[in-house]
Amino acid sequence: KAGVTQTPRYLIKTRGQQVTLSCSPISGHRSVSWYQQTPGQGLQFLFEYFSETQRNKGNFPGRFSGRQFSNSRSEMNVSTLELGDSALYLCASSTGTGETEAFFGQGTRLTVV
Amino acid sequence: GENVEQHPSTLSVQEGDSAVIKCTYSDSASNYFPWYKQELGKGPQLIIDIRSNVGEKKDQRIAVTLNKTAKHFSLHITETQPEDSAVYFCAAMEYSTLTFGKGTMLLVSP
Repeated sequence: KAGVTQTPRYLIKTRGQQVTLSCSPISGHRSVSWYQQTPGQGLQFLFEYFSETQRNKGNFPGRFSGRQFSNSRSEMNVSTLELGDSALYLCASSTGTGETEAFFGQGTRLTVV
Repeated sequence: GENVEQHPSTLSVQEGDSAVIKCTYSDSASNYFPWYKQELGKGPQLIIDIRSNVGEKKDQRIAVTLNKTAKHFSLHITETQPEDSAVYFCAAMEYSTLTFGKGTMLLVSP
């Protein structure tokens, strides 16, 4: 059974640009959550998508957005990049029904210069 | 919202010793508490979890205990091995959202 796949693994972007990250969940899972991991703030919840709808949202500015497709794959977009957006972005896949196990991908390492 | 505190931030043990990591949470609505292990350059890996209707769960050398009244839960690793060296995160889930502790860097010396 394939795990959670995130692409690309590494990205380098310039301030002011925008970036799109992709996450393919485990087959059969309908929920995808996104987290930002930094040394200072740890793992912070960005948002969760379930059946193509945003179900929960964390405390991040509107520059951070996402979407989910009918095959459950999800994308996350960050516009007008800032140096502080440099982080490891992780997505987690789960069935989304009740409190169930969440499995993480390897993450996308974003560096903003 | 939920707040999860995790201690210690670093833990050094000798191979074969036991390691204990403790977490507290604030929101009594949280009912699911997973633990993750993260190795360098990898995403967090789920190693064990516990639900609020259970007080203890064990899987080989790893065990987790939960005191829902006190809002405490702990990870216990026995007979530690060098490959247990990693960062460990506790988390609490509410409404399908995970709130994480800040992590514990465990170093197991041969």
